[in-house]
Amino acid sequence: GQQVMQIPQYQHVQEGEDFTTYCNSSTTLSNIQWYKQRPGGHPVFLIQLVKSGEVKKQKRLTFQFGEAKKNSSLHITATQTTDVGTYFCAGPGIYNQGGKLIFGQGTELSVKP
Amino acid sequence: DTGVSQNPRHKITKRGQNVTFRCDPISEHNRLYWYRQTLGQGPEFLTYFQNEAQLEKSRLLSDRFSAERPKGSFSTLEIQRTEQGDSAMYLCASSPGTGGSPLHFGNGTRLTVT
Repeated sequence: GQQVMQIPQYQHVQEGEDFTTYCNSSTTLSNIQWYKQRPGGHPVFLIQLVKSGEVKKQKRLTFQFGEAKKNSSLHITATQTTDVGTYFCAGPGIYNQGGKLIFGQGTELSVKP
Repeated sequence: DTGVSQNPRHKITKRGQNVTFRCDPISEHNRLYWYRQTLGQGPEFLTYFQNEAQLEKSRLLSDRFSAERPKGSFSTLEIQRTEQGDSAMYLCASSPGTGGSPLHFGNGTRLTVT
């Protein structure tokens, strides 16, 4: 079945270091979304990428969608303690019906002050 | 926009009992989704509604699970004859229903089956 995989599963960084998480889909995606879940919280939408090769920035966060629309990455520059949480990528189900999203297993980021 | 509301926040039940959870989506959203999340995993799709119609149900979902959205507003998820493996966070999300719309999640109901 359709799979969305993320690596690494965990990342521990010193505050100020950079962080990158990678997302790979077994199928071509029409779009990819990224969510952040703080400890004890629920997933919160960050951004959506639609176009092949698209790059979007939100302050210190840079999101990329691969040329083949099967992979994506999230890069955080100069991490802060407020960046702590689990980052999920998610893509539409294979038939892209109803907006159902298939989530990766997430990358948990911890930041040491 | 009051957000997606889920009740209860926590539920502890004994194996074999039935439980029911409620989700109130954002009022103008016509799509409603149920997901399940276990520790260290991403949300796993269970089912979704477009208005009152249940349009898809995960093949992973056993017959003990049933969901309703009778008037296209709030939804309930019932688990019959609970098993310890049902212990998880049950997340509800809603979206406006246009293609690719982001999901707005509630705080979830944490189920513990003893």
